[in-house]
Amino acid sequence: GQNIDQPTEMTATEGAIVQINCTYQTSGFNGLFWYQQHAGEAPTFLSYNVLDGLEEKGRFSSFLSRSKGYSYLLLKELQMKDSASYLCAVRGSGGANNLFFGTGTRLTVIP
Amino acid sequence: EAEVAQSPRYKITEKSQAVAFWCDPISGHATLYWYRQILGQGPELLVQFQDESVVDDSQLPKDRFSAERLKGVDSTLKIQPAELGDSAMYLCASSSGTSGQETQYFGPGTRLLVL
Repeated sequence: GQNIDQPTEMTATEGAIVQINCTYQTSGFNGLFWYQQHAGEAPTFLSYNVLDGLEEKGRFSSFLSRSKGYSYLLLKELQMKDSASYLCAVRGSGGANNLFFGTGTRLTVIP
Repeated sequence: EAEVAQSPRYKITEKSQAVAFWCDPISGHATLYWYRQILGQGPELLVQFQDESVVDDSQLPKDRFSAERLKGVDSTLKIQPAELGDSAMYLCASSSGTSGQETQYFGPGTRLLVL
């Protein structure tokens, strides 16, 4: 089976740094994705990790440890527009290479 | 910038009625996915197409849901009859392949409310 855990909600202050954690237990692993989803909108791609380590992309960074089944998304210099849900998704290693999503972490950025 | 198109954006229907959703993936993307996202949860895969062929429909409630991608381009997802529990966001996504590293790009979704 697939099990992906994320905190349900987080609150952080504008200009600060926030780390959103994701732990997973899946049958096979072929990469981990982070998506941002504003309320009522479609998920948009943020980052992809398949090897251990940190991937940096502007204000956003994502880290992966395959041995620990663990990833985090780091958001720096928070802006009000970063208030959204952040979805962790793991791609299995079956033939269809499907994505399994966590329930998402709702981040609220306050002034 | 190429986008995944979906229509309608919103649909309200009564239970036992039939509904259909349409998706046009990014040009050249061979793989198309339909997801269902219940409020407060992550998307769950319903069906995956590679060109016109179904790759995975193991989570599709086949007694009431059907999906097709006849020419390997756009796709239609149908529910007949709709039930109250089908109220959700239906998301279409596409990717250029399935080797494992292609990113899935999502359309704006169709929000379905069944009364």
